[in-house]
Amino acid sequence: DTAVSQTPKYLVTQMGNDKSIKCEQNLGHDTMYWYKQDSKKFLKIMFSYNNKELIINETVPNRFSPKSPDKAHLNLHINSLELGDSAVYFCASSQLRDTDTQYFGPGTRLTVL
Amino acid sequence: GNSVTQMEGPVTLSEEAFLTINCTYTATGYPSLFWYVQYPGEGLQLLLKATKADDKGSNKGFEATYRKETTSFHLEKGSVQVSDSAVYFCALSERNNAGNMLTFGGGTRLMVKP
Repeated sequence: DTAVSQTPKYLVTQMGNDKSIKCEQNLGHDTMYWYKQDSKKFLKIMFSYNNKELIINETVPNRFSPKSPDKAHLNLHINSLELGDSAVYFCASSQLRDTDTQYFGPGTRLTVL
Repeated sequence: GNSVTQMEGPVTLSEEAFLTINCTYTATGYPSLFWYVQYPGEGLQLLLKATKADDKGSNKGFEATYRKETTSFHLEKGSVQVSDSAVYFCALSERNNAGNMLTFGGGTRLMVKP
């Protein structure tokens, strides 16, 4: 019954590694997002995809590459991880006609050592 | 650019106390305004919203009124419960070339003690 799911829930890794976070939604939405929440709880959008096409790409290093194999999935791949990448990453989804109402996943806590 | 400013927390209240969390915004046009809530260990959930001036959003005993003249959207609840302990985010949405984009405030942690 989970509407927006993310895996893994926790990710601990060393600097310089490459890692991926997966997101799936079963709400039939056509738009998906990635947000980064820092240690002070500040939430900032990173990417938005509609029907597998990138529509929002905020100022994010090239090391971050989202991939949307279909409308229900939006994965986030991060190359050459840095200490500053440590954060909680949230996936969200909505309908394009109602992007105001977004449904969030439970988050993935990434810790880079 | 757009921005949202919330009062810094944590806000600590006793059960049944009155809650106000202040939120003000800066936007170039006529945004929609939202409150999202994040319970411990969970993702954000939409709590309430208002799409135009003087609209009042309400849900679960919480309410907020869109005040264009003061560019504010303060969250209130008459009697908080322990289960209301969470982080509350004020947000606005405005259409740009890429579609609607949510801009969040920094979040306010509410702790309600029995």
